[in-house]
Amino acid sequence: EVQLVESGGGLVQPGGSLRLSCAASGFSVSSNYMSWVRQAPGKGLEWVSVIYSGGNTYYADSVKGRFTISRHSSKNTLYLQMNSLRAEDTAVYYCAGEGDSYMHVWGKGTTVTVSS
Amino acid sequence: QSVLTQPPSVSGAPGQRVSISCTGSSSNIGAGYDVHWYQQVPGTAPKLLIYGNTNRPSGVPDRFSGSKSGTSASLAITGLQAEDEADYYCQSYDSTGRRVFGGGTKLTVL
Repeated sequence: EVQLVESGGGLVQPGGSLRLSCAASGFSVSSNYMSWVRQAPGKGLEWVSVIYSGGNTYYADSVKGRFTISRHSSKNTLYLQMNSLRAEDTAVYYCAGEGDSYMHVWGKGTTVTVSS
Repeated sequence: QSVLTQPPSVSGAPGQRVSISCTGSSSNIGAGYDVHWYQQVPGTAPKLLIYGNTNRPSGVPDRFSGSKSGTSASLAITGLQAEDEADYYCQSYDSTGRRVFGGGTKLTVL
């Protein structure tokens, strides 16, 4: 069974850092494109970042320079390092496995709250 | 402000047909990039509904269909059922490598 499980969310103060993880089973994070997508409370989906199987990475303008996507092949795990966090980064963060730019495998999400 | 524009809400009675539009620009949908659709029941993760403009993943009923023309795309749902009540999102890609979403449409089954 294909499964993605996010972890690492929590409460952090503005300016702080968090690292999210997405552990995959039945699905290779290295052989597929992998994205992070977030959803602020009561709002729509916002794409955050993608890492290609070849290693290229792309970011939304809202997080560029603050967030870093990476992966660990042997652990089959995707990461999102989030620095300089702001209140507007508060959201449920989902990892998703991609086909041809579409997201066909989703985790259940992990909640990040940025507040003092 | 989302890159792709969707109506905030649509509604229909059971058995009826509804459609949801998704309007982009020449840098995304109009550039020839595919449109994909997701269904999200509040409190749960999104689920892929349509990919590559018109294709349904296995398990998605054929009541759901997608189309694309120019800088826009549409999702149609026929034979509306109570279980279809959810939020629907379109998604595409732009030439910078970024994925873009619509703002989402809340479907209410009357």
